[in-house]
Amino acid sequence: DNQMTQSPSTLSASVGDRVIITCRASQSISTWLAWYQQKPGKAPKLLIYHMSTLQSGVPLRFSGSGTGTEFNLTISSLQPDDFATYFCQNYHVFGQGTRVEMK
Amino acid sequence: QLQLVESGGGVVQPGRSLRLSCTASGFSLSSSTMHWVRQAPGKGLDWVAGLSYDGTIIQYADSVKGRFTISRDNSNNTLYLQMNSLRAGDTAVYFCVRRTTWGYYFDLWGQGTLVTVSS
Repeated sequence: DNQMTQSPSTLSASVGDRVIITCRASQSISTWLAWYQQKPGKAPKLLIYHMSTLQSGVPLRFSGSGTGTEFNLTISSLQPDDFATYFCQNYHVFGQGTRVEMK
Repeated sequence: QLQLVESGGGVVQPGRSLRLSCTASGFSLSSSTMHWVRQAPGKGLDWVAGLSYDGTIIQYADSVKGRFTISRDNSNNTLYLQMNSLRAGDTAVYFCVRRTTWGYYFDLWGQGTLVTVSS
């Protein structure tokens, strides 16, 4: 089965920073990758699908990129509302999550 | 307004059963592929089960196969998860989610319902 490995598990950053979260697949998944944002006590929210397509309403500071096995979620300028946990997903498999915390 | 609302969670003893419900509004479950995803306290997301829009494809995670059953009542626009032989490891918030029609992504999530398996 495909495995999805995210790094780092925790990331400390400040408002205005450029943030990059990486997700690696154990086998090629083409562009079948999504990113979700989850805040404490809330359900996850779909941010990006097909590796780089922004879900409606998602700010343009979020972007996705990658190859068949290594993918990045980039936040170009971190905003206060972006402190949260981010998950990647392919098919039935989720990454373990990356918590973005305030430095 | 598109919405999913789960109910039925609670505290249950190991070995007992529980049925979760997920009522949809703003769209029809009969035309949507639906899933359950769970999240143990402080942990990541784990896919549990899925039911295709036409009912022909039903899938389960190995960890729940033979114990959980996903089903749907189109007349009530409600998705169910029947959970039998519950274990401590099933303790989690259970989310009802809708899969997109353009790929294996989950674009609509309920607020979740907490299931605690404890003696």
